[in-house]
Amino acid sequence: GAVVSQHPSWVICKSGTSVKIECRSLDFQATTMFWYRQFPKQSLMLMATSNEGSKATYEQGVEKDKFLINHASLTLSTLTVTSAHPEDSSFYICSAGLQYEQYFGPGTRLTVT
Amino acid sequence: GENVGLHLPTLSVQEGDNSIINCAYSNSASDYFIWYKQESGKGPQFIIDIRSNMDKRQGQRVTVLLNKTVKHLSLQIAATQPGDSAVYFCALKSGNQFYFGTGTSLTVIP
Repeated sequence: GAVVSQHPSWVICKSGTSVKIECRSLDFQATTMFWYRQFPKQSLMLMATSNEGSKATYEQGVEKDKFLINHASLTLSTLTVTSAHPEDSSFYICSAGLQYEQYFGPGTRLTVT
Repeated sequence: GENVGLHLPTLSVQEGDNSIINCAYSNSASDYFIWYKQESGKGPQFIIDIRSNMDKRQGQRVTVLLNKTVKHLSLQIAATQPGDSAVYFCALKSGNQFYFGTGTSLTVIP
């Protein structure tokens, strides 16, 4: 149980375009989902906390107008990278939380050319 | 943010030996601690957790030890296997947030 999926798993886009990443909890309802960014050989950096039906809470230094988060249902949160640039290339990982546990998706590798 | 650190960025062990990965934290209010395993190109995978009212918890081939006095967390892997090669992260929950350590890359030598 407690499976989290992400789609797509890998995306390549051109500078200036927008990319949407989906995060789904497949067999449980998650009131809270988290979005992380990870650079090679580094730890996970929390970008934002997404609560169903309310605005996401962004970590300091994360541009909310660039990384749009929508948590429309208890099983789906989306992250949209708007006007992507090469420096946005990274591994984006979501997680869905239950009371104590947190379950991670497989990640989405974004490459901006 | 929370300060979570690891003592060693890399660890190499011989297959069959035991591995110990350490983690230090600074927030004494943290009430929940987790170890994750991350293989290359994949998301973190839950290994084992421990709550602050415990000091030891065992799973299959893994043991987590929590020393709240010195704010130290460790993961012990018994009879390490090649499939254990990965990056291991400790994480702690403080309030509604999870904070991750920088990770230790474990390499198992056959």
